[in-house]
Amino acid sequence: KQEVTQIPAALSVPEGENLVLNCSFTDSAIYNLQWFRQDPGKGLTSLLLIQSSQREQTSGRLNASLDKSSGRSTLYIAASQPGDSATYLCAVRGWGKLQFGAGTQVVVTP
Amino acid sequence: GAGVSQSPSNKVTEKGKDVELRCDPISGHTALYWYRQRLGQGLEFLIYFQGNSAPDKSGLPSDRFSAERTGESVSTLTIQRTQQEDSAVYLCASHRDRGTDTQYFGPGTRLTVL
Repeated sequence: KQEVTQIPAALSVPEGENLVLNCSFTDSAIYNLQWFRQDPGKGLTSLLLIQSSQREQTSGRLNASLDKSSGRSTLYIAASQPGDSATYLCAVRGWGKLQFGAGTQVVVTP
Repeated sequence: GAGVSQSPSNKVTEKGKDVELRCDPISGHTALYWYRQRLGQGLEFLIYFQGNSAPDKSGLPSDRFSAERTGESVSTLTIQRTQQEDSAVYLCASHRDRGTDTQYFGPGTRLTVL
């Protein structure tokens, strides 16, 4: 059974610092890994999707890496801003469904 | 184009009543998922529909929960004889019929059982 773990559970940084969010998974037989953002009271917004054959994906200030053999992904957010405050979830796609981690709650202070 | 939509956005019901939640996926998306998110917790998979294949119901927590989908269109999640522990946000997501696709989520339905 796939287990997805996100560390840390919560993170607070001053504006301008880089954010590093970690995601680990136990079964490397995945199709892809996806990072989402969730704002309070709202649904999920997809940030980045990394296929199992890829090593990283970039979008603006966001960069996500994937090391499938070791079961790890890292989301980097450069030069954090207060608007980056949210909960970040990673999810791995195996056969059929996505398996989610519990998320990392991020607060960026001005 | 339009995203995934869900209705109602909020539902308050009394314990023991039945509720029905609706999800309209993005047009052309053959795969549809239901998830549950309890307060302060992660997403919990409930059920997965893929085209005309038999749905994956492995995440449904009890036989009070059921879901239907007609073809590749709207899906309804029904909870019978609601209990207080059913209070949560119910999220729906869809993607195209490819294993490599991004999942798109609806805004969710917040269910409160009194």
